[in-house]
Amino acid sequence: DSGVTQTPKHLITATGQRVTLRCSPRSGDLSVYWYQQSLDQGLQFLIQYYNGEERAKGNILERFSAQQFPDLHSELNLSSLELGDSALYFCASSVAPMDGGYTFGSGTRLTVV
Amino acid sequence: AQTVTQSQPEMSVQEAETVTLSCTYDTSESDYYLFWYKQPPSRQMILVIRQEAYKQQNATENRFSVNFQKAAKSFSLKISDSQLGDAAMYFCAYRIHYGGSQGNLIFGKGTKLSVKP
Repeated sequence: DSGVTQTPKHLITATGQRVTLRCSPRSGDLSVYWYQQSLDQGLQFLIQYYNGEERAKGNILERFSAQQFPDLHSELNLSSLELGDSALYFCASSVAPMDGGYTFGSGTRLTVV
Repeated sequence: AQTVTQSQPEMSVQEAETVTLSCTYDTSESDYYLFWYKQPPSRQMILVIRQEAYKQQNATENRFSVNFQKAAKSFSLKISDSQLGDAAMYFCAYRIHYGGSQGNLIFGKGTKLSVKP
């Protein structure tokens, strides 16, 4: 157990639907990162939060949004889902934005049918 | 923009032998971190080893060591005494050390390592 908890582990949904992925960072970690892993694109950085504030954005689609709550857990919202959104979504956490080490969760496997 | 390249999509090694995975990167920065992550079939991303660019000494973690060549922008991973449990996807990753608030990792495409008994 890495200490980073992601739920659900698997999610199957239909095109056009909306889903929410949840991440609880490791105790004491203030920074949360979301990554998408797909076969064709590899591991892509989506967005980063630090202590509730958005800090950086990567290749995140406008249909996707995220937030970090006061208790530091984070949610990634994916809407108007398309087949191409099927991927493994990882959350990672670290103590501070520039801390060298990341701890990854086990990911959420999203399948859009 | 920074990029990370892993030129070996797949590698194979005999159990107890040594294997080296290659990684090159492109950056105009002088201070950064480099990482190797392992992703076994369980899909968990596990940090194997990290290297700070300002350190000349190559990092070592038990059977894992790196050959960091800053001028050549090369960062290879050597696995000694390979074990069956080393079979996994290995990702090389880069992140800038400074640069405001951005701390995201940039990953290579990965190298799939098979270990033969």
